[in-house]
Amino acid sequence: DIVMTQTPLSLSVTPGQPASISCKSSQSLLHSDGKTYLYWYLQKPGQPPQLLIYEVSNRFSGVPDRFSGSGSGTDFTLKISRVEAEDVGVYYCMQSIQLRLTFGGGTKVEIK
Amino acid sequence: QVQLVQSGAEVKKPGASVKVSCKASGYTFTSYYMHWVRQAPGQGLEWMGIINPSGGSTSYAQKFQGRVTMTRDTSTSTVYMELSSLRSEDTAVYYCARDLSPIRATIKGPDYWGQGTLVTVSS
Repeated sequence: DIVMTQTPLSLSVTPGQPASISCKSSQSLLHSDGKTYLYWYLQKPGQPPQLLIYEVSNRFSGVPDRFSGSGSGTDFTLKISRVEAEDVGVYYCMQSIQLRLTFGGGTKVEIK
Repeated sequence: QVQLVQSGAEVKKPGASVKVSCKASGYTFTSYYMHWVRQAPGQGLEWMGIINPSGGSTSYAQKFQGRVTMTRDTSTSTVYMELSSLRSEDTAVYYCARDLSPIRATIKGPDYWGQGTLVTVSS
């Protein structure tokens, strides 16, 4: 199985300030079709996860443009340009290049 | 709009089975794969398997092979996940989640998620 490792475990951010989360995979997520199967989700308290970013850098429908994803191969980053109160929760990266999907351990984002 | 509505919370004894349902609406049910993912209390996300609602084919995580069965009913646009031989470690919220990509394309990962079903295993 591909192991997904996220850092940091938690983040406390002042509203309006940027935030960044790192995700590293144990194998390359670059598929033979040229796409990289790295996803980002946000799980707000008491809710199911919601898709933010697919294939490294594509924002899902309705996701604000303050969220952006980057990276390649095995190293990826989610950035929030200006954190808002509604962004609190746990962020997960996920790989789907192997059908046995695996998730990172999560990064908890709190507001200062 | 895409909606996935799951059945209610369950309490089961060790050794029993549980069957969770997930009713889809707002899209063509047979056109998208459906994943099942679980989350133990205070823990991360664990993928359990996937079903093709069109033909009924499935693929399960090795950890659950022999204990999980995913089925579907196209007449009601509902998928089911049954987990048998329950133990306390199976206490978790179980989610169904539609795949981002239409069937016949590469499986990509969940986009829309159900609200979750809490299954508690306790004697």
